[in-house]
Amino acid sequence: QVQLVESGGGVVQPGRSLRLSCAASGFTFRNYAMHWVRQAPGKGLEWVTVISYDGSNKYYADSVKGRFTISRDNSKNMLFLQMNSLRAEDTAVYYCARDALDSGFYYSAFWGQGTLITVSS
Amino acid sequence: EIVMTQSPATLSVSPGERATLSCRASQSASSNLAWYQQKPGQAPRLLIYGASTRATGVPARFSGSGSGTEFTLTISSLQSEDFAVYYCQQYNNWPPYTFGQGTKLEIK
Repeated sequence: QVQLVESGGGVVQPGRSLRLSCAASGFTFRNYAMHWVRQAPGKGLEWVTVISYDGSNKYYADSVKGRFTISRDNSKNMLFLQMNSLRAEDTAVYYCARDALDSGFYYSAFWGQGTLITVSS
Repeated sequence: EIVMTQSPATLSVSPGERATLSCRASQSASSNLAWYQQKPGQAPRLLIYGASTRATGVPARFSGSGSGTEFTLTISSLQSEDFAVYYCQQYNNWPPYTFGQGTKLEIK
């Protein structure tokens, strides 16, 4: 079955960097676009970024553009999110999610359990 | 950017009764609309895609309808495990993919 396991969360000071990882298994990773979605404490879901199945196309929410970078390693079934210049408003649970259908961009069919990032001095 | 607006923010319904949740898009999302269920401390779970197609394993009491700018999620006979927060998301015009703010379905 599809499994997505995020790691790399923790407490970080404003302005610093953090890298999240998502280990994928149970499906052919290289065939699917992958998303990061976040949820601030007590708030709703916010889409952050998506990367195409082959890594050639990446899209970002305006709130993170220029600060966050999504990447993937299809040889290791891994998804990453490099987060720079972190702000207090980036505090959230970050979920990685697999797109629904291979090769395109659709909706998030499978979700990991999330990892919490707290940006605080 | 398509803004998604869900109503009501909170819905109180008794077990066994029907629940109707609404989602409105600021511009047409065609039928590219998904619904997710999220329980406390858990990740979201896909319920409906294409506005009306149930995801694998989703009980038949969940149904979705609508197209364009008006969408509805109906739960025909509420079970105890259905009390959760529900989000709609459009994937018609992106980036960004946009979610509604959620509807909390609580026990009356």
